[in-house]
Amino acid sequence: DAGVTQSPTHLIKTRGQQVTLRCSPKSGHDTVSWYQQALGQGPQFIFQYYEEEERQRGNFPDRFSGHQFPNYSSELNVNALLLGDSALYLCASSLTLGEQFFGPGTRLTVL
Amino acid sequence: QKEVEQDPGPLSVPEGAIVSLNCTYSNSAFQYFMWYRQYSRKGPELLMYTYSSGNKEDGRFTAQVDKSSKYISLFIRDSQPSDSATYLCAMSPNFNKFYFGSGTKLNVKP
Repeated sequence: DAGVTQSPTHLIKTRGQQVTLRCSPKSGHDTVSWYQQALGQGPQFIFQYYEEEERQRGNFPDRFSGHQFPNYSSELNVNALLLGDSALYLCASSLTLGEQFFGPGTRLTVL
Repeated sequence: QKEVEQDPGPLSVPEGAIVSLNCTYSNSAFQYFMWYRQYSRKGPELLMYTYSSGNKEDGRFTAQVDKSSKYISLFIRDSQPSDSATYLCAMSPNFNKFYFGSGTKLNVKP
């Protein structure tokens, strides 16, 4: 049984560009959450998707948007990239109300 | 004030020692408490999950929650060099939004 998978593993972008990160949840899970983890910090909650709707959102600007597909996979989009957006982006999946299991993350570097 | 406070360490102990990791929080609505282990440049791995107050044991790991003091702990018995990692506490009022501590870096010396 594959766990949570994310792609790509690493990504390098320049300021002002846009990026799309992808996540496939653990088999049987219907909820996907996205986190940003800066170096030396804990994960910061970006948003959570359930039934293709954004259910909850953290303190992130509208440049951060997402989508959930009917097969429960999800995308995170970040527009107008800033240097400060450089971080490890983590996807976590869960059942509707349950513990979250994380993927390996996508390391984004903005130059 | 942060929602969740966690001492960043680093914490260095000899192999075989008992390790105590702690977090405090300010939001009395938190009901679900989790501990994750994160190796360098990897995603967090769920270790323990506890609902409300009480203790939970799983092998060498014991999680404790004291809601009256807004304090949670993770104990690791017979620590091993392979336990060297960053330990993150996380909590949530409703499983819709999770709040993480900044992580404690643990080093277990052989």
